[in-house]
Amino acid sequence: GAGVSQTPSNKVTEKGKYVELRCDPISGHTALYWYRQSLGQGPEFLIYFQGTGAADDSGLPNDRFFAVRPEGSVSTLKIQRTERGDSAVYLCASSLEGGDEQFFGPGTRLTVL
Amino acid sequence: GENVEQHPSTLSVQEGDSAVIKCTYSDSASNYFPWYKQELGKGPQLIIDIRSNVGEKKDQRIAVTLNKTAKHFSLHITETQPEDSAVYFCAASSGGTSYGKLTFGQGTILTVHP
Repeated sequence: GAGVSQTPSNKVTEKGKYVELRCDPISGHTALYWYRQSLGQGPEFLIYFQGTGAADDSGLPNDRFFAVRPEGSVSTLKIQRTERGDSAVYLCASSLEGGDEQFFGPGTRLTVL
Repeated sequence: GENVEQHPSTLSVQEGDSAVIKCTYSDSASNYFPWYKQELGKGPQLIIDIRSNVGEKKDQRIAVTLNKTAKHFSLHITETQPEDSAVYFCAASSGGTSYGKLTFGQGTILTVHP
């Protein structure tokens, strides 16, 4: 079946701009996670949704980062006033329930010039 | 919070040899330990996982062992093949309000030479 999909695959933007990254989880998965992966590092947790609500947003670095999942399926990660340090691969994962095996999408590579 | 350390950072083996990657974690409440394989330009792929109620799990050429007392777990790959070459990540997860949140190690670049 279809896995986790993320769009766009690549996003280049200028410092100070606003970006939105989209994640389509595996159908039926109630839990959705966002991670950020810098070059040569392991993924770092950003936020975890159970259904429509953010169960844990402790990994969001600051208030420029925000994520929503209004209908409990697709999620959007929003970054305001982008900075060069935001450049990374943003990964989305989903699982049947919180605590179950997480399946990752291919990621969105964000480059802030 | 949880901290996961992974070693070695790079590992080079000959085809057919075994490879072992080790991880330690800090939070004694962690109870779920997955391993992921990541190829260039792709997202991490789950290859095996273990929960805290067992000490070992095996799936064909891959096995994972867990020592809860020492807070470490290891990935063992036997009869390595060139297609095993990739970056491998260990991770740990605990319960409570952070249920499902994974903390990853720094990764091991595995190279299998034909």
